[in-house]
Amino acid sequence: AQSVTQLGSHVSVSEGALVLLRCNYSSSVPPYLFWYVQYPNQGLQLLLKYTTGATLVKGINGFEAEFKKSETSFHLTKPSAHMSDAAEYFCAVSPLSGGYQKVTFGTGTKLQVIP
Amino acid sequence: ETGVTQSPTHLIKTRGQQVTLRCSSQSGHNTVSWYQQALGQGPQFIFQYYREEENGRGNFPPRFSGLQFPNYSSELNVNALELDDSALYLCASTPGSGGVETQYFGPGTRLLVL
Repeated sequence: AQSVTQLGSHVSVSEGALVLLRCNYSSSVPPYLFWYVQYPNQGLQLLLKYTTGATLVKGINGFEAEFKKSETSFHLTKPSAHMSDAAEYFCAVSPLSGGYQKVTFGTGTKLQVIP
Repeated sequence: ETGVTQSPTHLIKTRGQQVTLRCSSQSGHNTVSWYQQALGQGPQFIFQYYREEENGRGNFPPRFSGLQFPNYSSELNVNALELDDSALYLCASTPGSGGVETQYFGPGTRLLVL
């Protein structure tokens, strides 16, 4: 079984401040991990994903995330928030093996960027 | 733009009715997945199709069914609609057999069941 917990359903940061969105996962097998962003009235867009190898993953729009196995975490960060970063962010996990990609999503974190 | 389109964008149905939602994937994407996203929740995996056959299913009852066609289009059918079926329905396509390739999501169909 696998699950994802996103701490904080709403996060507010000032423009130019550090963005930190927290994600912890539970998986019975080594996981693949993802962060997606969803803008209002749109589908999900992949920001970044961890499969194997380097634990620090860089994604689009200046975001990055670090896979920490010992902490079962995959927190998303961005050094400096921009107004256009205001959106909802979803962390997701998928088992490393399996014939199909059953992705389990967290409940999401809405990011507000204050000018 | 992901190249994945869904229709209709919005839909209102009454309890007990049946509904068909449509998705058009990118050319060459052999795998399509469907998700249900209730208000304030993350997407939940309904099922996945690879080359016109269902090859994975989440915790959804049989009244949720699907079809995938050779022209990279697919359908999600829901019978005997219930109020709790009100949600945003997302389809996502991937090339290959749906391993960990990037999923490309459509904008979704928002279904309201009254």
